[in-house]
Amino acid sequence: DAGITQSPRHKVTETGTPVTLRCHQTENHRYMYWYRQDPGHGLRLIHYSYGVKDTDKGEVSDGYSVSRSKTEDFLLTLESATSSQTSVYFCAISVVGGNEQYFGPGTRLTVT
Amino acid sequence: SQQGEEDPQALSIQEGENATMNCSYKTSINNLQWYRQNSGRGLVHLILIRSNEREKHSGRLRVTLDTSKKSSSLLITASRAADTASYFCATDGSSNTGKLIFGQGTTLQVKP
Repeated sequence: DAGITQSPRHKVTETGTPVTLRCHQTENHRYMYWYRQDPGHGLRLIHYSYGVKDTDKGEVSDGYSVSRSKTEDFLLTLESATSSQTSVYFCAISVVGGNEQYFGPGTRLTVT
Repeated sequence: SQQGEEDPQALSIQEGENATMNCSYKTSINNLQWYRQNSGRGLVHLILIRSNEREKHSGRLRVTLDTSKKSSSLLITASRAADTASYFCATDGSSNTGKLIFGQGTTLQVKP
């Protein structure tokens, strides 16, 4: 998976609790992305980063925040998890924005 | 809304046959990419075709791009059981933001 790890790989949490997912890369790529994948919706962009402390919203950013204080780490936070945020979350990295992306193994999050 | 729409949504063929998947998109692009996803795994980049290219090959993969029709096709020749996966197209939307927009994917089953 191209030097990308995600943690945790699986998580079950209760509605209303905060959750933070971590994406770590060893490739020193500038661009990092968070997606969610749901049946019938394909892959949808939540937030992305084009450098340390530089982030922007994607298609489905409501209810999510991100932080990137180091090149290698991109954190996705659900401030107060809801059942609609049950999904599989993928992190991806890219050398050049808009070019090929390399994906992590995914995190399966269940909000009960 | 999804930029790319794949067709068909599902495809089942016998080993040795060719598989063709189509992708349509809505806005102008700099490039179009195809990815493969095996069950429970992250996406893997297959091929990128730029807007000024009409056809590109990689091993058993052949991708065509028709910018006048805003469509692309992915042909997998002499398919194998190991090609069983979901296939996604993604476009950059020529926005130069570094974002990709993914379609909902075609699920390919290759029967041995």
